[in-house]
Amino acid sequence: GNSVTQMEGPVTLSEEAFLTINCTYTATGYPSLFWYVQYPGEGLQLLLKATKADDKGSNKGFEATYRKETTSFHLEKGSVQVSDSAVYFCALIGGGSYIPTFGRGTSLIVHP
Amino acid sequence: NAGVTQTPKFRVLKTGQSMTLLCAQDMNHEYMYWYRQDPGMGLRLIHYSVGEGTTAKGEVPDGYNVSRLKKQNFLLGLESAAPSQTSVYFCASYGLDSGTEAFFGQGTRLTVV
Repeated sequence: GNSVTQMEGPVTLSEEAFLTINCTYTATGYPSLFWYVQYPGEGLQLLLKATKADDKGSNKGFEATYRKETTSFHLEKGSVQVSDSAVYFCALIGGGSYIPTFGRGTSLIVHP
Repeated sequence: NAGVTQTPKFRVLKTGQSMTLLCAQDMNHEYMYWYRQDPGMGLRLIHYSVGEGTTAKGEVPDGYNVSRLKKQNFLLGLESAAPSQTSVYFCASYGLDSGTEAFFGQGTRLTVV
């Protein structure tokens, strides 16, 4: 079946630091890939997505590129802010299943 | 367009009590899901539905039942609540025609004492 593995947290950074959260997946075919963000006490919101190989999803300064050859979808941001503190989930849909598959989530803490 | 709405948002139950969580979506999505979120465990699928009148078990179905009598609603029931069911529950929906991502409700925080 499908699976998603993402780096464990928490990731603790100072404001304006560079962020990378690694995500790799296992799936048959060509799934769509997503990053969701969860702020404290809230539900999951879509942050960005990519639907085919070499697509780059971007939103709010975050980027991730769909790498078929390495089955990866790493999340990056050049300069994080305190307001980016949240839990980030890598996910996929497709690849033979319409059940969203999630990684365990990575907590990001950004200090002023 | 409200998206996915869950009720209630918070609930405290005593062990052995029953309750139903309601999920409603107004996007005409075929697929609906119930997840639970626990610290360090990520999101775990409880049950899901691929259409009106159909349901299937997910990863952690024990102690829960579901029904999808109408396409827009997906109910999650706890017949006899246990402290191990203390969690945050999320409903999500996904439509084959409407795009590529799943949409989530705001969650229900359930405490069983």
